[in-house]
Amino acid sequence: DTAVSQTPKYLVTQMGNDKSIKCEQNLGHDTMYWYKQDSKKFLKIMFSYNNKELIINETVPNRFSPKSPDKAHLNLHINSLELGDSAVYFCASSQVSGGTPWGEQFFGPGTRLTVL
Amino acid sequence: GQQVMQIPQYQHVQEGEDFTTYCNSSTTLSNIQWYKQRPGGHPVFLIQLVKSGEVKKQKRLTFQFGEAKKNSSLHITATQTTDVGTYFCAGSGGSNYKLTFGKGTLLTVNP
Repeated sequence: DTAVSQTPKYLVTQMGNDKSIKCEQNLGHDTMYWYKQDSKKFLKIMFSYNNKELIINETVPNRFSPKSPDKAHLNLHINSLELGDSAVYFCASSQVSGGTPWGEQFFGPGTRLTVL
Repeated sequence: GQQVMQIPQYQHVQEGEDFTTYCNSSTTLSNIQWYKQRPGGHPVFLIQLVKSGEVKKQKRLTFQFGEAKKNSSLHITATQTTDVGTYFCAGSGGSNYKLTFGKGTLLTVNP
């Protein structure tokens, strides 16, 4: 059973298009994240949802809009794609409880987005 | 904002040699996590350290958290080809849900 799954795995599209990436976790976690990993492998958090509520929203262009229909799903919609959006996008989940504000992050396999 | 610096950026070793990567934070951390990402893969959690001066071992891997909780290290003894990958540290300095990742150390091992 896949713990955190993402679709699609690869996404190749033209500049200016709109695309969506979907994420699902079956771990029962209450917090989900979107990360962007650029060509230099730098991992940067974009958004985080806790119990369907947006709790982290980094300085990301408003062309990026996350949506969490329920605790197990976190989708990412990107409008008007630009060349600089090309990257690997990772979804992750964790259980935020106990003495620490966050826990082990379980990452999905990633979606490699290429904008032409 | 919080910054987590990680060095070295790259490390190439002969199989059997030791390897260490270091993380330094601009602020005191609540705790620090370490992840490994194999080439073409996704980050996989290795460990979390929460206490000042904490040392944890996983087989050939030794993790340390500094006394001031502003630095950490990962040491691999007698590297093997299976250790190849990028090692990331990630720390949080407050009661928010955000982890700040270091830029990672890419380890390559020559058999």
